[in-house]
Amino acid sequence: SAVISQKPSRDICQRGTSLTIQCQVDSQVTMMFWYRQQPGQSLTLIATANQGSEATYESGFVIDKFPISRPNLTFSTLTVSNMSPEDSSIYLCSAGGQGAYNEQFFGPGTRLTVL
Amino acid sequence: DAKTTQPPSMDCAEGRAANLPCNHSTISGNEYVYWYRQIHSQGPQYIIHGLKNNETNEMASLIITEDRKSSTLILPHATLRDTAVYYCIVRVALPAAGNKLTFGGGTRVLVKP
Repeated sequence: SAVISQKPSRDICQRGTSLTIQCQVDSQVTMMFWYRQQPGQSLTLIATANQGSEATYESGFVIDKFPISRPNLTFSTLTVSNMSPEDSSIYLCSAGGQGAYNEQFFGPGTRLTVL
Repeated sequence: DAKTTQPPSMDCAEGRAANLPCNHSTISGNEYVYWYRQIHSQGPQYIIHGLKNNETNEMASLIITEDRKSSTLILPHATLRDTAVYYCIVRVALPAAGNKLTFGGGTRVLVKP
């Protein structure tokens, strides 16, 4: 199994600012993903972080708002840009291999509060 | 990916078996059934997955009906630490689909002493 860590674990930010969340995996993985979990809700996929190329965004999420980097097979960052209170959520990183047989592992999440 | 339907919540007694149903009537032949759970303030945790045969591991058993339109996750001896939201997810096995998961509402399970 893969162990995933995220930094920061939580933050309180002012509207209009940006926050970069880091995700580190303890082994090389093919796929990395970023999810958002709004208060009391289920998880929603933001994007797939592709190593060496632009991330693949889901409907409703755009690169200008959520720029993602993935410089190698064990690390990715998600930036929440120009934040508003509606961005207050838990942001989770996950990783796994390709194919149905490989389960996906999740980080502990970053709890973001925007004032 | 096919949609799943789960009861929003259920209670179960500590030490008893917890049976969590999931309906996936539109599942296609190349879709697997996955179960994850999310304990409060933690990231989701993989539990088990299957295609059409029943599966068992150290955490749970997965029973899939013959027509594959529904499944049941069984926690054989529920403990207080099993209190969590349980998600049933169906996912294609095609490489082009990557490995992304689509989460529904899940079932909020409360294990009571």
